[in-house]
Amino acid sequence: AQSVTQLGSHVSVSEGALVLLRCNYSSSVPPYLFWYVQYPNQGLQLLLKYTSAATLVKGINGFEAEFKKSETSFHLTKPSAHMSDAAEYFCAVVHGSSNTGKLIFGQGTTLQVKP
Amino acid sequence: DAGITQSPRHKVTETGTPVTLRCHQTENHRYMYWYRQDPGHGLRLIHYSYGVKDTDKGEVSDGYSVSRSKTEDFLLTLESATSSQTSVYFCAISEPGAEAFFGQGTRLTVV
Repeated sequence: AQSVTQLGSHVSVSEGALVLLRCNYSSSVPPYLFWYVQYPNQGLQLLLKYTSAATLVKGINGFEAEFKKSETSFHLTKPSAHMSDAAEYFCAVVHGSSNTGKLIFGQGTTLQVKP
Repeated sequence: DAGITQSPRHKVTETGTPVTLRCHQTENHRYMYWYRQDPGHGLRLIHYSYGVKDTDKGEVSDGYSVSRSKTEDFLLTLESATSSQTSVYFCAISEPGAEAFFGQGTRLTVV
């Protein structure tokens, strides 16, 4: 069965510091992987996606993620945190090999950015 | 932003009452989904639809039913609400092989 694990339910960084949010997945088929961001009282917004093209994926707001098959990881990074990055971040994988788009989510990581 | 509207945005209901949440899209996307979001669990799939009148169960479907009589509308019904169904419910839409777009969510409290 496919699953997603996000290491660390809360991550705190200082403004200007590197952001690293960890995601590991398990999948029996080549995965489609996503990072979504959720600001308070809002829906989820797509940050970036991996669909078997380039392993380094660039997203919105300066975020990027690298797909590492050997490590079954898809960690999210940003070189310099901004106060506006404070939000909850979800890693997700498409369920199964079908094209139905059903997503399996990790538990989420809340990013706090300190001034 | 993708045209997805959830209604109501907030609802408080009593245990044992039926509740229906509505998701309306203007994007003509084939797939529609209902997820629930609970602390420590991320989002979990309740039901999804792959076309008009074509639906299937997700991971946490017990106590929920859905209907899709038109491409643009996907209804989620709690037949008899329980306190364990207190949650934030998200509707999402997608096309085959593409990313999902999410609505703003419905906060449901069952008292």
